[in-house]
Parts: sequence; C-alpha cells; structure tokens
Amino acid sequence: GENVEQHPSTLSVQEGDSAVIKCTYSDSASNYFPWYKQELGKRPQLIIDIRSNVGEKKDQRIAVTLNKTAKHFSLHITETQPEDSAVYFCAASKGNQGGKLIFGQGTELSVKP
Amino acid sequence: NAGVMQNPRHLVRRRGQEARLRCSPMKGHSHVYWYRQLPEEGLKFMVYLQKENIIDESGMPKERFSAEFPKEGPSILRIQQVVRGDSAAYFCASSEGSAPQYFGPGTRLTVL
Repeated sequence: GENVEQHPSTLSVQEGDSAVIKCTYSDSASNYFPWYKQELGKRPQLIIDIRSNVGEKKDQRIAVTLNKTAKHFSLHITETQPEDSAVYFCAASKGNQGGKLIFGQGTELSVKP
Repeated sequence: NAGVMQNPRHLVRRRGQEARLRCSPMKGHSHVYWYRQLPEEGLKFMVYLQKENIIDESGMPKERFSAEFPKEGPSILRIQQVVRGDSAAYFCASSEGSAPQYFGPGTRLTVL
C-alpha cells in the first residue's frame, strides 16, 4: 500500500548548522510532495512543496530535493535558528485534482542556541 | 482572507456520547480533508470531500464515523458512541482543487 518513511525521528543541531530530513515513498504515481512544520499544540504549516516535474526547489533557508528514480525527497534547512525547532512532516500525494496526503512519521528538530 | 476554521477547539465527551466536529474551508476552496493525529504520532488521512460528495473515505473507520460537506455550511465529522481510543486531534485541511492543502487549528477530542 501507500507508505512514506521519514528519517531521522529526532534531530539535534547547533544554531547555525544545517539540518537534513529524508523521506522515501512507495507509490510511484505520487507527484506532489509537501513539507509541514508543526509546533507543539499548533496546526501543521506548509513550509515548502515540490512537484514531480522539478528536481529541486529553494525558498530562502529551506530547500527540497526530489529523486523520482529512487523515490525519495529531502528537506534541507541551512543556518538553523532556535525558532526552527518543531516537528517536521513530509507527505506525498497523487492526482492533479486534489488527493489525500500520506504523511511520514515526523522528525522532531531541536536547534540548540 | 480567513484561514481554515475549526470548532470547537476542544471537546470533551463521555464514552458512548456523540462528537460533532466542524470545519469551514478557506474562502474559494471547495476541497476538504480530515486527518487524525494521535498523541505524539503523525497525521493519518480519514476522508476527502467536495461539496455534497465524498471523494475518498479510505481512511475512515467502518463504523461510528461519518462525514459530510453540504452545499451550504461547514463540513462535519461525526463520531457516534465515542470510545477512549477516539481521543486525538482532528485536523481539517482545504484546497482549491489541486494542492496545496492548508490546515485548520484542529479540534482536540478527549473521551472520558
């Protein structure tokens, strides 16, 4: 069935370092890959997304890369700041007219000042 | 432009009671999704609706759970005869057709 695996489950970095979170999806028909940030007790917030027709997308300190052949995608955060501390979820979906998101298990990122 | 709205934000029910969760999508969005998040776990898809239609309910438990998105008014997720295992955060998301999906603040259901 459809599955998204996310690693690591926890990640601790020093302020200013980079953080990388990796996800692998099982359904080769998946064509849309968003990343969400969720702070404790809050809603998931979309931080960046990528579609299957591009290999990389960047927005300031955040970038996402996609390898369709290997069916994996990664989130890269550079120059981390304490306010980046949160749980990050990757997800995958298919279909051009909307469709359910299959989420990874989440990565708890801690940025130490 | 108001974001996705959900109410109530917190709901306490005793075992056997009914829970009704409401979701108003962002203005202009006609697609609504419900997800459940158990404590310290990820988000699990439940159901995907468009106005007056259930598009995908593959994540809905077979019994006690139902959802609707009427022509007028919010989408409703209804849980009948709640049990302790239903305690979770229930998030609604909306989109304007294809992605992206934007999430509401969630309803935290506690079953006593």
